[in-house]
Amino acid sequence: DAGVTQSPTHLIKTRGQQVTLRCSPISGHKSVSWYQQVLGQGPQFIFQYYEKEERGRGNFPDRFSARQFPNYSSELNVNALLLGDSALYLCASSLAGEETQYFGPGTRLLVL
Amino acid sequence: AQSVAQPEDQVNVAEGNPLTVKCTYSVSGNPYLFWYVQYPNRGLQFLLKYITGDNLVKGSYGFEAEFNKSQTSFHLKKPSALVSDSALYFCAVRANTGGFKTIFGAGTRLFVKA
Repeated sequence: DAGVTQSPTHLIKTRGQQVTLRCSPISGHKSVSWYQQVLGQGPQFIFQYYEKEERGRGNFPDRFSARQFPNYSSELNVNALLLGDSALYLCASSLAGEETQYFGPGTRLLVL
Repeated sequence: AQSVAQPEDQVNVAEGNPLTVKCTYSVSGNPYLFWYVQYPNRGLQFLLKYITGDNLVKGSYGFEAEFNKSQTSFHLKKPSALVSDSALYFCAVRANTGGFKTIFGAGTRLFVKA
C-alpha cells in the first residue's frame, strides 16, 4: 500500500506570493494533519481535518488555511508568504479516531 | 496547555550499549504519548505509542518506552544500540480529550559510535 504522499517535494517562492501544498493520505485514512518543521525544531501543529471538517488548529496566522476533499486528500494554502515561512511542511494521516499518525516525506518550501 | 520537553539536544552512545532518550510532558487529563524517528531528508516514522495499559510499551526496531505517570515521563530505551539507530528522535503528546492537537518536542539527536 502506498504511504502518505505529498506534492511538490520542493518549492521556491518569493515574499508576498501564495503557495498550495497537497497531501494524499493512506488509503482508508479519513484524517489529515499538517505540521510545519523549521530547521532544528520539532514539527509544529497547524491543522487537523477529519471528514472534511477542521478539528484542530494550531497557533498560526490566518494566512494559513487548509481544506479536505471528499476523497480525504488535503491542501494547505499559505498567503502573503514571509521569509519565516521557509520550512518543511509535513502531512500526516490517521484512521478515523485512531491516534497514530503516519507522515509523508514533506514539502520543503523556501521563501526568498 | 500541552507541552513536551526533551532535555537533551544530543545523546552519544557506543554501539552495543543501552540507550535512553528522555521525554517529559505536561497535559490536562490522560495523555496519548508517541515516539517518532526522523532520518535525514525524510518524514517522521512512527516508533511506538502509549494510550493505556501496561506502562512498558514495545515498538519498532527493538525500541521500548516506559510511561511514568508520577514523573510525567516517557523515556525511549533500547537495550543495545546500533549505528543505524543514529537519527533525530521526537517525543509527542496529545490529550485524550478536547481536540486533536499533537505537540512535539524539539527533538534529540542520537549518535551511535561504532
